[in-house]
Amino acid sequence: NAGVTQTPKFQVLKTGQSMTLQCAQDMNHEYMSWYRQDPGMGLRLIHYSVGAGITDQGEVPNGYNVSRSTTEDFPLRLLSAAPSQTSVYFCASSTPKSAEAFFGQGTRLTVV
Amino acid sequence: AQSVTQLDSQVPVFEEAPVELRCNYSSSVSVYLFWYVQYPNQGLQLLLKYLSGSTLVESINGFEAEFNKSQTSFHLRKPSVHISDTAEYFCAVSDALYNQGGKLIFGQGTELSVKP
Repeated sequence: NAGVTQTPKFQVLKTGQSMTLQCAQDMNHEYMSWYRQDPGMGLRLIHYSVGAGITDQGEVPNGYNVSRSTTEDFPLRLLSAAPSQTSVYFCASSTPKSAEAFFGQGTRLTVV
Repeated sequence: AQSVTQLDSQVPVFEEAPVELRCNYSSSVSVYLFWYVQYPNQGLQLLLKYLSGSTLVESINGFEAEFNKSQTSFHLRKPSVHISDTAEYFCAVSDALYNQGGKLIFGQGTELSVKP
């Protein structure tokens, strides 16, 4: 049982480059979300989805796009990377009933 | 709007000593409360949660937390810590009544460092 899988684990980008962080879950969870973790700031919500085809913004959405074409996948796109997006990114999934979020192992992104 | 404040950014403690990690929250609605643990270079794992019922909740590895509604707190305690408890601990809150998307609001995190 893989749970929540994120790829890649590490990535270095140059300013202005684009990339997609992948997230997949095999638990048939309705809810999926993306957080970024920065020192001293905890985790902050970027975007979330309540089901396939439905997404919404979180606390810090600027510079990021998401889509959810299937229940399993929730990719996060950086269209034009900036140094301020250097962070550790976590994907999570949950269900309406359990209230517990399951997290992936994270992607450490550095923008130079 | 909801917010979470973890009152200590770093807590150093000797092995076998007791520890308390403090968490206060602010919310105008009923909440669910969580403690997550993050070991170095890993993702977050749920340590324990309060949804309803008994205000004292326990984890399988000896941690406990008590929901105090009047003080809007959810402090985490362990009577005797081990070296292996060294990690970062996050307190989080979610809306209990209407939480489309399972959104969590996190505190800033507390680094627990257990020394021999």
